[in-house]
Amino acid sequence: DAKTTQPPSMDCAEGRAANLPCNHSTISGNEYVYWYRQIHSQGPQYIIHGLKNNETNEMASLIITEDRKSSTLILPHATLRDTAVYYCIVRPKETSGSRLTFGEGTQLTVNP
Amino acid sequence: KAGVTQTPRYLIKTRGQQVTLSCSPISGHRSVSWYQQTPGQGLQFLFEYFSETQRNKGNFPGRFSGRQFSNSRSEMNVSTLELGDSALYLCASSLGRSGTSRNEQFFGPGTRLTVL
Repeated sequence: DAKTTQPPSMDCAEGRAANLPCNHSTISGNEYVYWYRQIHSQGPQYIIHGLKNNETNEMASLIITEDRKSSTLILPHATLRDTAVYYCIVRPKETSGSRLTFGEGTQLTVNP
Repeated sequence: KAGVTQTPRYLIKTRGQQVTLSCSPISGHRSVSWYQQTPGQGLQFLFEYFSETQRNKGNFPGRFSGRQFSNSRSEMNVSTLELGDSALYLCASSLGRSGTSRNEQFFGPGTRLTVL
């Protein structure tokens, strides 16, 4: 699976948008970008995934650059409950199995 | 729909003992994966079971093993426990279909294992 690079930590004010970047410059054409988050002492939670088009769901938006070498997860109105470690993961669609390779992620702290 | 459940939630063992952890996936999910999380190594994949067969395996010693039952429930076993096995053990379930991007994993709350 392609390697990803994320900043170790970020801060955001409550109510503002949180923009979490991820670099995946070695991504292959058949690899998707997935985002998970882990709130302290809980299991990781799936947020969103995409291939090349921007995606939006009830939790977040995912913006993938045209060359697909980087992406940004956007939490439009961050709340204190969004404080968590956010993981960006790339993996092929055409893969057998559900294995996820987690990096170190970004610790997002939402401040009141 | 009930989420992924793991039992027990907390466990204390001593070195040399063995331990069995249990995971019940979301109804209809056929894939169960296990992960180990430690402060030093982060989240690491242990193995995945699909339809009672091990489909993927991470880079862990043979002391770590698992199995899956016909109802998709899974157990993992660690024998001859070492201090370094102290960790949060997470189980995740998914539909397990290959060739699709829609294979989101749903994680349980984890079992916190402490080895003394």
